[in-house]
Amino acid sequence: EPEVTQTPSHQVTQMGQEVILRCVPISNHLYFYWYRQILGQKVEFLVSFYNNEISEKSEIFDDQFSVERPDGSNFTLKIRSTKLEDSAMYFCASSEAGTGHGYTFGSGTRLTVV
Amino acid sequence: AQSVTQLDSQVPVFEEAPVELRCNYSSSVSVYLFWYVQYPNQGLQLLLKYLSGSTLVESINGFEAEFNKSQTSFHLRKPSVHISDTAEYFCAVGAAGGYNKLIFGAGTRLAVHP
Repeated sequence: EPEVTQTPSHQVTQMGQEVILRCVPISNHLYFYWYRQILGQKVEFLVSFYNNEISEKSEIFDDQFSVERPDGSNFTLKIRSTKLEDSAMYFCASSEAGTGHGYTFGSGTRLTVV
Repeated sequence: AQSVTQLDSQVPVFEEAPVELRCNYSSSVSVYLFWYVQYPNQGLQLLLKYLSGSTLVESINGFEAEFNKSQTSFHLRKPSVHISDTAEYFCAVGAAGGYNKLIFGAGTRLAVHP
């Protein structure tokens, strides 16, 4: 079964450093998403991306965050200057055909900011 | 806007006992409803979904959920659980149609004991 692949599985970074989280969505999917889950809290929507542009973003997704689809397969989330409160599990998801089909999620990247 | 409330953060249960994981939602528009499961160190997997039609939906591994519009609920049930059902279960809602984001509940940790 097709999978959404995320790398790395764990990342530790120092506060103030830039990090890039990488995702390879399912090849025929057109919509891409990033969610995050702070330990013990809800899974929160960050951003959706379609046709090479952001279609929706949450209030969490401030100027420190950016997304990019640099080629035909990768979808990245960049955090420019990490803060302690950015420590979370970050999930990438993709969708082929709309909300009704649900999304396929990756296994996540656990980001720890020290 | 939509919101989801999962009333129980943890549900301990003995093997072969029945279980119900509760989910209530609020929305001003028509919604699709989902249950996702997260096994340890894995991503979110779609368990079942309600889009329209029959209010009772089933998964391939014996779970079922019933959409109750009047009570704005989508509770997940299984008549007899297995040790392997131990996982975190997330209820999610998305506005019907299109490629809308999903809003997740806080999750319920199901712990099945022998």
